[in-house]
Amino acid sequence: KAGVTQTPRYLIKTRGQQVTLSCSPISGHRSVSWYQQTPGQGLQFLFEYFSETQRNKGNFPGRFSGRQFSNSRSEMNVSTLELGDSALYLCASSLGVVPRDTRIETQYFGPGTRLLVL
Amino acid sequence: KQEVTQIPAALSVPEGENLVLNCSFTDSAIYNLQWFRQDPGKGLTSLLLIQSSQREQTSGRLNASLDKSSGRSTLYIAASQPGDSATYLCAVHPPPYGKVIFGPGTSLSVIP
Repeated sequence: KAGVTQTPRYLIKTRGQQVTLSCSPISGHRSVSWYQQTPGQGLQFLFEYFSETQRNKGNFPGRFSGRQFSNSRSEMNVSTLELGDSALYLCASSLGVVPRDTRIETQYFGPGTRLLVL
Repeated sequence: KQEVTQIPAALSVPEGENLVLNCSFTDSAIYNLQWFRQDPGKGLTSLLLIQSSQREQTSGRLNASLDKSSGRSTLYIAASQPGDSATYLCAVHPPPYGKVIFGPGTSLSVIP
């Protein structure tokens, strides 16, 4: 079973540009969550998509947006990049529903996209 | 508002020692608690998942406990090895379903 994949793995942009990151979840998973990891703030929740709808949202400005397609693949977009947006962006996939079987429902994380804003 | 803290922030131990990492959370209303490992510059690897109805989980040399009423979890690592060196993150999954809150992590260094 293939794991969560993220593309690209590394990205260098300049201030003011925009960027789109992609996440392909594990087959059968309908939920994709996005996280930002920085040395100063740690891992912070950006948003979660389930069945093409944003279901949960963290406390990030509107420059951060996302979407999910019918095949559950998700994209995250950051517009008007700032230096502080330099981070490791992780996505995680899961079934997305409260399981009857309490042994399951682990979030599976991708390797991340490392974004550097100059 | 759910907040997660981890103590200590960093830990250095000689190989072979048993050690305990601590995680605290402020709201006991959670679906589950999960421990992850992160190697430098890498993504996250799930170590153990404890559902809210469970008290502990074990995997090999790792044992995690959960005391929901006191808002605490511990990760016990037995007979530590240099390969255990990494950052260990605790995460809770509170309502609404689909949003996970992470602690700041404990950076572990096991000295050969």
